[in-house]
Amino acid sequence: EAAVTQSPRSKVAVTGGKVTLSCHQTNNHDYMYWYRQDTGHGLRLIHYSYVADSTEKGDIPDGYKASRPSQENFSLILELASLSQTAVYFCASRDRGANSDYTFGSGTRLLVI
Amino acid sequence: GQQVQQSPASLVLQEGENAELQCNFSSTATQLQWFYQSPGGSLVSLLSNPSGTKHTGRLTSTTVTKERRSSLHISSSQTTDSGTYLCAIEANTNKVVFGTGTRLQVLP
Repeated sequence: EAAVTQSPRSKVAVTGGKVTLSCHQTNNHDYMYWYRQDTGHGLRLIHYSYVADSTEKGDIPDGYKASRPSQENFSLILELASLSQTAVYFCASRDRGANSDYTFGSGTRLLVI
Repeated sequence: GQQVQQSPASLVLQEGENAELQCNFSSTATQLQWFYQSPGGSLVSLLSNPSGTKHTGRLTSTTVTKERRSSLHISSSQTTDSGTYLCAIEANTNKVVFGTGTRLQVLP
């Protein structure tokens, strides 16, 4: 069954530390996305990727890096975690077609202390 | 940038009643999708409807592109419909912008 798997499911990180969130998809989709969700803000796009070895900045990329080493894997990296990055992070994949549906991962709850 | 506004912010219904959710967006959308987020947080795509009317099960979406609005009608609501409904649009950028959602609570 096609799926998007995120790891870890939750994490507590120390301010200033490095955090890597991982996403793996078995959908054979070209597009992958990282969103964060905060209360009252809905989902906001951080980084996305059309193809392996290439990433694009979303609407709120500051403080985040992304890596797409293969079609299946897409990582979000917080080099210096800050309190304001406490949020729930969602990864999603989508096929190339105009009306294709998104498949979301189950989310990663990140708490920065 | 693109903005997506959803109304109402929250809605409480008795089981069996119908729900009408609205989505208004600030720029022309080439793609519009409705999503459901469960109380536990998982997200699923409900339907894609950039224009016209589309049905799936008890859901009907009507999008009027020129007026930059879309609606999601849920008929005969059930307690399992409780959760948050998100509208998202995509312009010619492959970037998707989400609204803040409508939180629906269906009481038994």
